[in-house]
Amino acid sequence: GNSVTQMEGPVTLSEEAFLTINCTYTATGYPSLFWYVQYPGEGLQLLLKATKADDKGSNKGFEATYRKETTSFHLEKGSVQVSDSAVYFCALVNSGSARQLTFGSGTQLTVLP
Amino acid sequence: GAGVSQSPRYKVAKRGQDVALRCDPISGHVSLFWYQQALGQGPEFLTYFQNEAQLDKSGLPSDRFFAERPEGSVSTLKIQRTQQEDSAVYLCASSSHGTGEWAGANVLTFGAGSRLTVL
Repeated sequence: GNSVTQMEGPVTLSEEAFLTINCTYTATGYPSLFWYVQYPGEGLQLLLKATKADDKGSNKGFEATYRKETTSFHLEKGSVQVSDSAVYFCALVNSGSARQLTFGSGTQLTVLP
Repeated sequence: GAGVSQSPRYKVAKRGQDVALRCDPISGHVSLFWYQQALGQGPEFLTYFQNEAQLDKSGLPSDRFFAERPEGSVSTLKIQRTQQEDSAVYLCASSSHGTGEWAGANVLTFGAGSRLTVL
């Protein structure tokens, strides 16, 4: 079956620090990969996505590259801001019969001024 | 509406009570999903509708859980005889595409969720 394993949190960084949140996956076929962000009191929002191997998704300074050889989709940002404090979820959807997203357990990020 | 609206935002129920959670998807959205998010965990799939048809209910944890979308717009998730392990945030998400087109190429819009606490 499909599964997503994320780096456990919480992660606490100072403003302008470099961020990496690790994500690895198990899936049959050729999944598409996503990062979602959940701010306090709000719904999940798509942050970025990649639909095939070697694709790089990017948005708001965040990046993640679909690495099929290591089954990974690590999230990175060069300089985090206080406003990036949120919970980040890695997820996949399989291009086969499954319709639903499979999520990792989430990583809480706190950025201190 | 502009987004996916869920109500109530918070619900406290005594064990054994029935609850109903409502989801108003974005107008015209074909696909509608329900997810359950336990504290400190990622969302887990419950069920999927394409218009009024419930195409997948494989994630519903027991026969106490029931979902409907009779007119292909608003959906209700009903939990009968609630148990403490049902305490979670229930998320609804919708998409303008049907499943045949959407895998990887489309975006789900999530509501803010309904937080259920069973005492």
